Amino acid sequence: NAGVTQTPKFQVLKTGQSMTLQCAQDMNHEYMSWYRQDPGMGLRLIHYSVGAGITDQGEVPNGYNVSRSTTEDFPLRLLSAAPSQTSVYFCASRRSGVGAWRGSTDTQYFGPGTRLTVL
Amino acid sequence: AQRVTQPEKLLSVFKGAPVELKCNYSYSGSPELFWYVQYSRQRLQLLLRHISRESIKGFTADLNKGETSFHLKKPFAQEEDSAMYYCALKGNQGGKLIFGQGTELSVKP
Repeated sequence: NAGVTQTPKFQVLKTGQSMTLQCAQDMNHEYMSWYRQDPGMGLRLIHYSVGAGITDQGEVPNGYNVSRSTTEDFPLRLLSAAPSQTSVYFCASRRSGVGAWRGSTDTQYFGPGTRLTVL
Repeated sequence: AQRVTQPEKLLSVFKGAPVELKCNYSYSGSPELFWYVQYSRQRLQLLLRHISRESIKGFTADLNKGETSFHLKKPFAQEEDSAMYYCALKGNQGGKLIFGQGTELSVKP
């Protein structure tokens, strides 16, 4: 298993450009999520999905869109990049969806991250 | 509201010294808490979870509901423990995992 993979590893954008960060997992996990990591702010949840066709907002969803058409993929779209979106982005997945995760011992696995700079 | 607070951005200790990374949480229900670690140039990974009551790499953490804390402790720090540590809380709203701000642990020789 490759686990959770993310592409690209690095990206530089100009203000106003759009792009999609790719995330894929080959573990047949129901739950996937996107975080951004900023110094002093920790990891903040952007969007998450409890299964194919279902997505919901996290703490900092503005400026980002997601979709979950397949179990494996969970792309994150920046609609019009802004310098405030300069960050490291992490995708994560775990086996159980919402109802099954309560009390379960499922581990949440993270991807290697995408470092995005918006000029 | 769910919230996790790690008051220390940086904790620097000498090798062999005890270390305690603080974590406080705010949650109205019964939380489940975790510690994640990110070593240099590696991805974030689970260190331990409170429901397992385990000791991993010499680290332990006890959930104190009265003080709403889940501090991470190790009696004798090693240089290889240097990393970024994140405390995380799993609530029952959408199964979200909420992280604290992170504490960078630096263990000096």
